[in-house]
Amino acid sequence: EPEVTQTPSHQVTQMGQEVILRCVPISNHLYFYWYRQILGQKVEFLVSFYNNEISEKSEIFDDQFSVERPDGSNFTLKIRSTKLEDSAMYFCAGSGAYGETQYFGPGTRLLVL
Amino acid sequence: SQKIEQNSEALNIQEGKTATLTCNYTNYSPAYLQWYRQDPGRGPVFLLLIRENEKEKRKERLKVTFDTTLKQSLFHITASQPADSATYLCALGAMDTGRRALTFGSGTRLQVQP
Repeated sequence: EPEVTQTPSHQVTQMGQEVILRCVPISNHLYFYWYRQILGQKVEFLVSFYNNEISEKSEIFDDQFSVERPDGSNFTLKIRSTKLEDSAMYFCAGSGAYGETQYFGPGTRLLVL
Repeated sequence: SQKIEQNSEALNIQEGKTATLTCNYTNYSPAYLQWYRQDPGRGPVFLLLIRENEKEKRKERLKVTFDTTLKQSLFHITASQPADSATYLCALGAMDTGRRALTFGSGTRLQVQP
């Protein structure tokens, strides 16, 4: 069964550094998403991406964040200047044409020191 | 503001019993509601989706109900097993407005004792 994959599984960075989180969605999915989960808190929506552009974003997704689909398979989340409060699990997800059921990757645990 | 509440942080039951988890929402008109399972340090895994015009959905030992009048969904696991121990998340979607973002509850941690 196809799965969403994410790399790296863990990332430790210094405050102010840039990080890029990578995802390979399921190949026939059309909608792509990033969510984050701060330790002990809810899963929170960041952004959705369709047809090579952002279709929706939350208040969390400010100018320090960007997303890209640089080729036909990868989907990336860039955090330009990391802050301590960016420490969280970041999940990539994808969905098919109707965009209902979303299939999540295993996550990247980001720790900002 | 929109609010999703899952009945309790933790639920402990004996193996073989039925677990019932509750998801209540306010200030929201979801087109559908989904239940996910999350194990520690892992991503949510999709279990069931129920639409606003459906009352009940079943899949193997899982059953979900959706009452849009009460603004509540119940999630049942029958004949529970220790392997069912995990956190269960409800998530609401509002595709009728073109939005596909899911709004998640905080989850209920289920522990099934052997």
